[in-house]
Amino acid sequence: GAVVSQHPSRVICKSGTSVKIECRSLDFQATTMFWYRQFPKQSLMLMATSNEGSKATYEQGVEKDKFLINHASLTLSTLTVTSAHPEDSSFYICSASPHLAAITDTQYFGPGTRLTVL
Amino acid sequence: GNSVTQMEGPVTLSEEAFLTINCTYTATGYPSLFWYVQYPGEGLQLLLKATKADDKGSNKGFEATYRKETTSFHLEKGSVQVSDSAVYFCALGGGSSNTGKLIFGQGTTLQVKP
Repeated sequence: GAVVSQHPSRVICKSGTSVKIECRSLDFQATTMFWYRQFPKQSLMLMATSNEGSKATYEQGVEKDKFLINHASLTLSTLTVTSAHPEDSSFYICSASPHLAAITDTQYFGPGTRLTVL
Repeated sequence: GNSVTQMEGPVTLSEEAFLTINCTYTATGYPSLFWYVQYPGEGLQLLLKATKADDKGSNKGFEATYRKETTSFHLEKGSVQVSDSAVYFCALGGGSSNTGKLIFGQGTTLQVKP
């Protein structure tokens, strides 16, 4: 149980285009979803936290207009990288929790999406 | 602010060797501490956790003890197997000042050779 999927697993796009990454909880309702970014040989950096039906809370330094997060249902969150540039190339990982963020330390992670911007 | 530091990898061991991956942290309040494992091509999985000082988390032969006096949470296993080859992440979060956020170390790659 507690499986989280991401799609696509890899995406290559041209500079200036937008890319959408999906994160789905397959067997539970995800009250809270988190989006992380991971650079090679570095730790996961939290980008934003979202609760179903409300606006995402972005971490300091993360451009909310560039990284659009939508958590429209209890099983799906999307991250859209708008007008992508080579410096946005990274590994994006989502996680989901059946509980509100403030009352749990449980997160189930997706396998990640490798974004390469040419 | 809160932070986690892990020993740099990769760590290469022979099967049945003893494993230690060091993890130290800086935190305000009383966080919980975690070890996550990421097998090739898969998402992070919770390996073990400890929620207060002197707690020992254990799972699949791995152990880690929450040491407040040394601000450490080192991961150990007495006899590693080839199937333990993965990336291991130490993290902190939750606890008395829970915001739901996890702060990760940079990960340590373990390769176990037969």
